[in-house]
Amino acid sequence: EPEVTQTPSHQVTQMGQEVILRCVPISNHLYFYWYRQILGQKVEFLVSFYNNEISEKSEIFDDQFSVERPDGSNFTLKIRSTKLEDSAMYFCASSNLADTQYFGPGTRLTVL
Amino acid sequence: GEDVEQSLFLSVREGDSSVINCTYTDSSSTYLYWYKQEPGAGLQLLTYIFSNMDMKQDQRLTVLLNKKDKHLSLRIADTQTGDSAIYFCSVMDSNYQLIWGAGTKLIIKP
Repeated sequence: EPEVTQTPSHQVTQMGQEVILRCVPISNHLYFYWYRQILGQKVEFLVSFYNNEISEKSEIFDDQFSVERPDGSNFTLKIRSTKLEDSAMYFCASSNLADTQYFGPGTRLTVL
Repeated sequence: GEDVEQSLFLSVREGDSSVINCTYTDSSSTYLYWYKQEPGAGLQLLTYIFSNMDMKQDQRLTVLLNKKDKHLSLRIADTQTGDSAIYFCSVMDSNYQLIWGAGTKLIIKP
């Protein structure tokens, strides 16, 4: 069964460094998403992406965040200058239509 | 904006039925989902229901939707130890974003 994959599973970085979180969505899906879950808090929507552009973004997704689909398979989330409060689990999801979203296993980001 | 609420814990005996409840605020929500998260793992889609349905059954899982009360429930029949996980209620808003509850931790007693 096709699934969403994410790498790395755990990323540790120093405050102020740039990180790139990678996702490979399900191959025939057209919509891509990033969510995050800070430890002990609710899952929060960050951004959705369709047709090579951002379709929606939350107020969390400020100028330090960017997303890209550099080729036909990867979907990346870049955080330019990480802060301590960016420490969270980051989930990528994809959907065929704008309905049921399938999630990857997540990347745990730890900012020191 | 949309808000989704769940109780944080549910404890049931192995073999009993578990019922996890969820309330939401946006009556225009189209799709409502239940996801399962096991320790250290990602968000696994369990089941979903479209807003024009009252009930959906899938093997041991039964989803009930009461649109008038904006109440969604997930019933797991014959609960097993492998059902131990956090169960998230999630609702799609008018911008196709998923709004999440805090998750209900299901604890199985032998």
